[in-house]
Amino acid sequence: LAKTTQPISMDSYEGQEVNITCSHNNIATNDYITWYQQFPSQGPRFIIQGYKTKVTNEVASLFIPADRKSSTLSLPRVSLSDTAVYYCLVGDKAGANNLFFGTGTRLTVIP
Amino acid sequence: ETGVTQSPTHLIKTRGQQVTLRCSSQSGHNTVSWYQQALGQGPQFIFQYYREEENGRGNFPPRFSGLQFPNYSSELNVNALELDDSALYLCASSLVRTGGQETQYFGPGTRLLVL
Repeated sequence: LAKTTQPISMDSYEGQEVNITCSHNNIATNDYITWYQQFPSQGPRFIIQGYKTKVTNEVASLFIPADRKSSTLSLPRVSLSDTAVYYCLVGDKAGANNLFFGTGTRLTVIP
Repeated sequence: ETGVTQSPTHLIKTRGQQVTLRCSSQSGHNTVSWYQQALGQGPQFIFQYYREEENGRGNFPPRFSGLQFPNYSSELNVNALELDDSALYLCASSLVRTGGQETQYFGPGTRLLVL
């Protein structure tokens, strides 16, 4: 399993764009990159998944450079409700135990 | 709402007891994974069940066991509870088909406290 490295915490003001970068130097050819959001005492919530280049959905964008050794989750115009822990995961879609969570990035949005 | 439900929401047990936690998968999903999340840590993979058989296991002792039923719901059983078993237990369901496993969707979790 490819391990990931993320900043432990980040602060941002309301309305700003937040970029959280994740390093995954040992990513394998078949691995996808997935981001989850988790609020206290709740299960993680799927945000976005990608393999290469850029993926965008209604809540976030995911930027993946050509070498795929890192990825950046971009949250546009964050609000107070975006305060949560964000996990970057790397794994083979076909794998049975393909979700290795690190400690995540604790994002605090300040009014 | 992911459609994954877990019961109970909270549970208090004493050391040495046994506990059973339950999970109902999202409709259409055939795979269930269980995770343990200690306070301040990320979820740790316990095991996964696919078509009623264990399909991968993390670094947890045999006193952690599970079942998956024909309707794809699942149970996590923990015997001889220890204080360190106090955690949030998460269930995640997904669809495995030819070509790989789709995204896992998590339930709200069961908070277990062992005294």
